[in-house]
This record gives sequence, structure tokens and C-alpha cells, in this order.
Amino acid sequence: DIQLTQSPSFLSASVGDRVTISCRASQAIDTYLAWYQQKPGKAPKLLIYTASTLQSGVPSRFSGSGFGTDFTLTISSLQPEDFATYYCQQLTNYPITFGQGTRLEIK
Amino acid sequence: QVQLVQSGAEVRRPGSSMKVSCKASGGTLSNYAVNWIRQAPGQGLEWMGVIIPISGSTNYAQQFQGRATFTADESTDTAYVELRSLRSEDTGIYYCARSGYSYGYGFPTWFDPWGQGTLVTVSS
Repeated sequence: DIQLTQSPSFLSASVGDRVTISCRASQAIDTYLAWYQQKPGKAPKLLIYTASTLQSGVPSRFSGSGFGTDFTLTISSLQPEDFATYYCQQLTNYPITFGQGTRLEIK
Repeated sequence: QVQLVQSGAEVRRPGSSMKVSCKASGGTLSNYAVNWIRQAPGQGLEWMGVIIPISGSTNYAQQFQGRATFTADESTDTAYVELRSLRSEDTGIYYCARSGYSYGYGFPTWFDPWGQGTLVTVSS
């Protein structure tokens, strides 16, 4: 199985901050990576696919980059509604796997 | 805008079975894949497997192989997951999520949309 390791697992930040979340794959996955946001009591929401393509309707302060084994999700200026848990996901090998999640909280 | 609407919460005894449905509203499941994902209380996301309704072909994560069955009814745009021999560790929220499917390389594409989730509680 392909393991996805996110760092950090927990992040405390303030409104307006720029934050970066890392996702490292245990083997190369090209750009077959997606990012999701999950708020408490809600289903995950797709933010980015193919590592860097912004899903329609997602604010442009979200961006993704990376290729192979190392990927990042960046939020350029945190807004109150961005405090949530973020997951990366690989789609190049069965089983489809997710990172363990990064919980982003208000400082 | 397609939405996936899942069936309601279930409480089951250990050793019994559960069956959760996922219906597409405002869209279709045809020409897409339906993935099932589980989230244990306070934990991360675990992919259970995928079904391609138009062909009925499936792929199960190893830990669910033989205990889970995915089905789909194209006429009603509804997918189902059945999980048998339930144990307390199966307690969690079960999500369906639609994705594309790349026949060229044989894997689902990104998951969107997701159902609202169905809480299944396994307890004696």
C-alpha cells in the first residue's frame, strides 16, 4: 500500500496567516493526488485534484503543488472558515489511501 | 448540481449486517464510479472500495474483501454497501463519493461529490 504522511498533524494559526501542509508519499505517484477539507460533522469537500488543479468554486487562496512523492497544500491568507481538517489522497494504486489528516486550528 | 443522498443512521448488533444506500439526486451515477469510505469516531478516512455501476465491476480494500458487497441499481441511480458480520470496530460514518474512472489506467479519479454520511453504530 502507498502510505501518505502529512505534516504537521496539528497546526495552530491566525486569520491572515499563510500556511503550508505537506504530504509525502511512500512511492512516486506522479500527480495523482487530491486534497480535501473536512469540517466537524460534515463530509469531506474536494479542494484540489491532480496535485494542483483547483476545484470549481474553491477560493483562489488555496493552491497545491508537487510531483512524485512530495506535495504541498498552501492557503495564502487564512480565513475563519478555513479552520478544519485537511486530507491528501493518492489515486494511482489500490487501495486508494488518504493521509492521516492535518487539523488546522485558530491560534 | 448532483447531490448524493444517503440512508439514515443504523444501530446493529455484533454479528449482524448493515446496508447503506446512496442515491444520486439531480444527476446520475452512470458513467461514473461510486466509492465507499469509512470514518471511525475521531479518526481519518479509510477507503473501502469502489463500484462502477455501468459494468458492476468492483474493487475492495483487502480488509473488507469477503465481508463487504457493493451493488448499484442504474435504473434508480442508487448504490449500496452491505457489510456483514459486524463488530464494534465497524462503528463509524460511512460515506459514498462519486468519481470518474480512468479506464486507461484502471483507477478512480478524484472524489466529488460526497454523500452526507451515514452513522452506523455496532453495539450489544
